[in-house]
Amino acid sequence: TQLLEQSPQFLSIQEGENLTVYCNSSSVFSSLQWYRQEPGEGPVLLVTVVTGGEVKKLKRLTFQFGDARKDSSLHITAAQPGDTGLYLCAGEVVGASGTYKYIFGTGTRLKVLA
Amino acid sequence: EAQVTQNPRYLITVTGKKLTVTCSQNMNHEYMSWYRQDPGLGLRQIYYSMNVEVTDKGDVPEGYKVSRKEKRNFPLILESPSPNQTSLYFCASSLAGGSEQFFGPGTRLTVL
Repeated sequence: TQLLEQSPQFLSIQEGENLTVYCNSSSVFSSLQWYRQEPGEGPVLLVTVVTGGEVKKLKRLTFQFGDARKDSSLHITAAQPGDTGLYLCAGEVVGASGTYKYIFGTGTRLKVLA
Repeated sequence: EAQVTQNPRYLITVTGKKLTVTCSQNMNHEYMSWYRQDPGLGLRQIYYSMNVEVTDKGDVPEGYKVSRKEKRNFPLILESPSPNQTSLYFCASSLAGGSEQFFGPGTRLTVL
């Protein structure tokens, strides 16, 4: 069974601080996605990284895919209360017959205090 | 408005009473999927469908059935629910496998 370990599970920081969330696996993924989920809603896609070593930036959020496509990180610079939420990584597995499955990490619950 | 809808949003039922959670999307998406979300376990994929009449098991398919008779609908069927199926369920759809997934609002199911 493929697993995605996400750390930390919980993070409470002050506004303006930087933070990094990690997503690790022993499996190789064809791509890795990061989602953010608000209470009472479904996850919303933030970014997809596809190439090993790829770095993508979304305003104050920086996403990196590991060279071996087994791990990823999300770095937030100068966190703001609006960044509060549950962050999920998800690895994409493409089957030999062209099927697509998704393995989600356990999530990181971030709280940014004003 | 482009969206994924799920019904019901909340359901309390008893062990063994068959139930269906509906999922519908209006975006003409090929790919649809069901997930369950449990504390500490994240989202786990139950079943997915690459296209009409094509469905396949995810990581936790036991106790669930699905069907994809038309492109827009992908119902999740629990023939004999048990308490360990108490969970928050999400339906998602995407243009194709590998594309951005759009999630529904979730269905909170409690099996007593």
